Amino acid sequence: GQNIDQPTEMTATEGAIVQINCTYQTSGFNGLFWYQQHAGEAPTFLSYNVLDGLEEKGRFSSFLSRSKGYSYLLLKELQMKDSASYLCAVREGTQAGTALIFGKGTTLSVSS
Amino acid sequence: EPEVTQTPSHQVTQMGQEVILRCVPISNHLYFYWYRQILGQKVEFLVSFYNNEISEKSEIFDDQFSVERPDGSNFTLKIRSTKLEDSAMYFCASGQGPEAFFGQGTRLTVV
Repeated sequence: GQNIDQPTEMTATEGAIVQINCTYQTSGFNGLFWYQQHAGEAPTFLSYNVLDGLEEKGRFSSFLSRSKGYSYLLLKELQMKDSASYLCAVREGTQAGTALIFGKGTTLSVSS
Repeated sequence: EPEVTQTPSHQVTQMGQEVILRCVPISNHLYFYWYRQILGQKVEFLVSFYNNEISEKSEIFDDQFSVERPDGSNFTLKIRSTKLEDSAMYFCASGQGPEAFFGQGTRLTVV
């Protein structure tokens, strides 16, 4: 079966650092993805990890441990515009064009 | 920056009617997808399409659903006989590698 778990909600203040965790149990693994989704809008691609370790992209970093079935998204220097849902997704299939399985998302609220 | 475009942005239809949702993927992408998101719920995979055929589909994608790439630019999702529970945001996505890039979605309301 497939199970992707993330906290439902998190709050933080402007300028702070926040870490959003994701654990997964899937029948296969071919990459973990993080997307940002503002209310009523499309998911926007943030990061992709297929090997263990940290990937850094500006204010956002993503970490993967395949042996633990665990990832996190780290957001630094938080801004009000970072208030959104953050979606963790796993690709199970071995080919690039196969399904992304999404978690329920973590709603992040950033306050001043 | 190239983007996936979807039309219409909103569609209201009566139960039992057919709807066609349209998408123009990013031009050099090879993989095309449809996902849906029922209000307040998670994004769910429907179908993926590669090399002019379905490469994978979910349990949601039953005989009421079909996809087509009628020409070199469009990618459509047809729902033959809509049900109330088909009301959702439908996202088209495309990619040329592991990432999928999403369009802005079509909000389908079945009444």
